[in-house]
Amino acid sequence: DGGITQSPKYLFRKEGQNVTLSCEQNLNHDAMYWYRQDPGQGLRLIYYSQIVNDFQKGDIAEGYSVSREKKESFPLTVTSAQKNPTAFYLCASSRREAYEQYFGPGTRLTVT
Amino acid sequence: ILNVEQSPQSLHVQEGDSTNFTCSFPSSNFYALHWYRWETAKSPEALFVMTLNGDEKKKGRISATLNTKEGYSYLYIKGSQPEDSATYLCAFLNAGNMLTFGGGTRLMVKP
Repeated sequence: DGGITQSPKYLFRKEGQNVTLSCEQNLNHDAMYWYRQDPGQGLRLIYYSQIVNDFQKGDIAEGYSVSREKKESFPLTVTSAQKNPTAFYLCASSRREAYEQYFGPGTRLTVT
Repeated sequence: ILNVEQSPQSLHVQEGDSTNFTCSFPSSNFYALHWYRWETAKSPEALFVMTLNGDEKKKGRISATLNTKEGYSYLYIKGSQPEDSATYLCAFLNAGNMLTFGGGTRLMVKP
């Protein structure tokens, strides 16, 4: 089955710890994206990557880092510099940047 | 940050009613407009990708129109069913290849 997987579904961390969220796709898509959703708000773009070994900051990149060493994988690290890390994180991919995006199931991160 | 607005924020309709909601976006630097449906406990799924002014797209009982000159798109649902209950998101893609989402319209269809 082709699709996007994110793990884990729920993640709990102590304040001050870095945490890495996983995103894997087997759709052979070139572009991958990370979004964040907060209660009552829409999706906000954190980082995106159009090709392996390249990525660009989105609207809210501060306190986050990414890597794109393989086409299939686009992990997101939430660093201790992110002031409000508790949120729902969605990963997506698309064939190219203009095409429809396919979303993973999301990871709900809680930092206390 | 680009301003993409959706209205209304939420909508309650009776089964069988037809309904529509609006997405407004910047009219400059337009590349594409996406519509997604996001059901509770599921991932967002693409409904339409629209690129040309005057585009009209249809999928079953759902259709969408696009006006890039004035910066708006309408999503219509004919004869709403309870399974149409979801949050409908629009997203504006500019020539810089960044997709900006609106806040969504939450539709609840009562049986």
